[in-house]
Amino acid sequence: GAGVSQSPSNKVTEKGKDVELRCDPISGHTALYWYRQSLGQGLEFLIYFQGNSAPDKSGLPSDRFSAERTGGSVSTLTIQRTQQEDSAVYLCASSLAPPGQWGDTQYFGPGTRLTVL
Amino acid sequence: KQEVTQIPAALSVPEGENLVLNCSFTDSAIYNLQWFRQDPGKGLTSLLLIQSSQREQTSGRLNASLDKSSGRSTLYIAASQPGDSATYLCAVRRYSGGGADGLTFGKGTHLIIQP
Repeated sequence: GAGVSQSPSNKVTEKGKDVELRCDPISGHTALYWYRQSLGQGLEFLIYFQGNSAPDKSGLPSDRFSAERTGGSVSTLTIQRTQQEDSAVYLCASSLAPPGQWGDTQYFGPGTRLTVL
Repeated sequence: KQEVTQIPAALSVPEGENLVLNCSFTDSAIYNLQWFRQDPGKGLTSLLLIQSSQREQTSGRLNASLDKSSGRSTLYIAASQPGDSATYLCAVRRYSGGGADGLTFGKGTHLIIQP
């Protein structure tokens, strides 16, 4: 079956512009996660959705970052007034079950490479 | 705060060798530990997931062990092949007792298998 898909695959933007990154999880997966991978850094957890709600937003680096999920499916990560330090690969993952339950293995998408000039 | 460290950061070995990748974590109150592989320009592929109550998991030529009390995990790759070349990531999920959070990742081991 289809895996997690993300769009766009690459995004180049100018400092100060807003960007939207999209994630389509595996059909039927209830949990969805966003991570960021910066050059030379490890993968950093940003936010997690169970259904349409986000019980854990602790990883969002600033109030310029927001995310939503609609219909228990597609999620959008929005970065407002982008800065150069926002340049990174943004990865989305989904799992069949919520964290801590059987079936919580996360499956990752290919990522969106964001470059802020 | 949970911190995950992977050693070595990079490794280059001839084809056919057996090798061990190491992962350590600072908070032993974990729910599970997962090993991933990441190929250039691609997402992560889950290799093995070890629940906190388990000691090891095996899949083909891969074997992962977990010693929760000492905060360590190893990934053993037998009879390495050039196709094993990738970055290997270790990640732990904290035991949150009803709460929920994402995975905490190490920075990875970049593995090159020489033909």
